[in-house]
Amino acid sequence: EAQVTQNPRYLITVTGKKLTVTCSQNMNHEYMSWYRQDPGLGLRQIYYSMNVEVTDKGDVPEGYKVSRKEKRNFPLILESPSPNQTSLYFCASSFGRAGYEQYFGPGTRLTVT
Amino acid sequence: GENVEQHPSTLSVQEGDSAVIKCTYSDSASNYFPWYKQELGKRPQLIIDIRSNVGEKKDQRIAVTLNKTAKHFSLHITETQPEDSAVYFCAASVNYGQNFVFGPGTRLSVLP
Repeated sequence: EAQVTQNPRYLITVTGKKLTVTCSQNMNHEYMSWYRQDPGLGLRQIYYSMNVEVTDKGDVPEGYKVSRKEKRNFPLILESPSPNQTSLYFCASSFGRAGYEQYFGPGTRLTVT
Repeated sequence: GENVEQHPSTLSVQEGDSAVIKCTYSDSASNYFPWYKQELGKRPQLIIDIRSNVGEKKDQRIAVTLNKTAKHFSLHITETQPEDSAVYFCAASVNYGQNFVFGPGTRLSVLP
């Protein structure tokens, strides 16, 4: 089954404790992206990747890191989480930038206390 | 950078009526405009998209129109059904889908 998976789905952590949210797709997509969703703000892009070893900042990259060492995986890293990073996070992938549909993962709800 | 506004923030219609959601964007270089539907507790899913070289696109009960001069695009849903109830997001992108900027969303309620 073609899908985008994220782990964990739910995470409660404390300020300053490094964490990684994994994202994996099995559709051989070149493009992958991370978004955060907050009430009243819609989806805001954090980082995106056009291919392996090619990443770029979205609109809200501060406090986040990503890497794309393999085509299928695009982990989101929070080196020192803060309460303002409490949010719902979505990973997405598509074949490429030429207007192809983005497929979203199920989301990861992160709470930082 | 790009800024996308979306109106209305909430919309209630009677089943069978039409619903229209409008988005405006600021960057004239934007050339790809997708619409996503997000049901409660679920992930966003693409319902229709349009590129800047097209003025209108239809898919059954859903249509999108684009006015590049005025920098706005609209989602039209005809013959609404209860299962259309969801939050709808518009988005704009330069380079046909690289950096995406989303609108804040419209909560559509279709009343039986």
